[in-house]
Amino acid sequence: EIVLTQSPATLSLSPGERATLSCRASQSVSTYLAWYQQKPGQAPRLLIYDASTRATGIPARFSGSGSGTDFTLTITSLEPEDFAVYYCQQRSSWPPEYTFGQGTKLEIK
Amino acid sequence: QVQLQQSGPGLVTPSQTLSLTCAISGDSVSSDSAAWNWIRQSPSRGLEWLGRTYYRSRWYNEYAAFMKSRITINPDISKNQFSLQLDSVTPEDTAVYYCASGERTFDPWGQGTLVTVSS
Repeated sequence: EIVLTQSPATLSLSPGERATLSCRASQSVSTYLAWYQQKPGQAPRLLIYDASTRATGIPARFSGSGSGTDFTLTITSLEPEDFAVYYCQQRSSWPPEYTFGQGTKLEIK
Repeated sequence: QVQLQQSGPGLVTPSQTLSLTCAISGDSVSSDSAAWNWIRQSPSRGLEWLGRTYYRSRWYNEYAAFMKSRITINPDISKNQFSLQLDSVTPEDTAVYYCASGERTFDPWGQGTLVTVSS
């Protein structure tokens, strides 16, 4: 099973600042990596897929990069609504398997 | 746009079967380009993909290895929905259960159902 490790566990920033979140895979996942945002009491929302493609309706301040084992989600100029928990997710073709990272909580400083 | 609406009980007795349903609007459970998933989330284990069903000339069901002996996911073509059955539940199966659409990623998701396993 491919393990995804996210860092940091918690990131404390102020609105307007830049956030950089990391996701590291235990083995290469090529660019089969996605990012989700989850707010309290809500289901996760897809932000980024294929490592760097924004999902429909996602603001341009969200961007993803990386390939292989190291990936980054960057949020430029944080808005108040961006404070949430962020998860990365990978998929393996065979056996079919999807795993998630443990999450990074982005909190207001 | 695709929307998913979950239904099912929030309390299940240990050793019994957990059953949830996910109704689909805006797409067909028989679509040959979609996949229909169940995912759960708990504080101790985080987000876990449980399995999926999809149609590609015939029906396929794929399950997470750790669930394989206890889980069944079935499509219901007449009602355009799919279901989750988890047998022999224990308190460790207490979690928020989500249905979600997607073949490589998950979008959209259902609203989530908190299922508590307790006597």
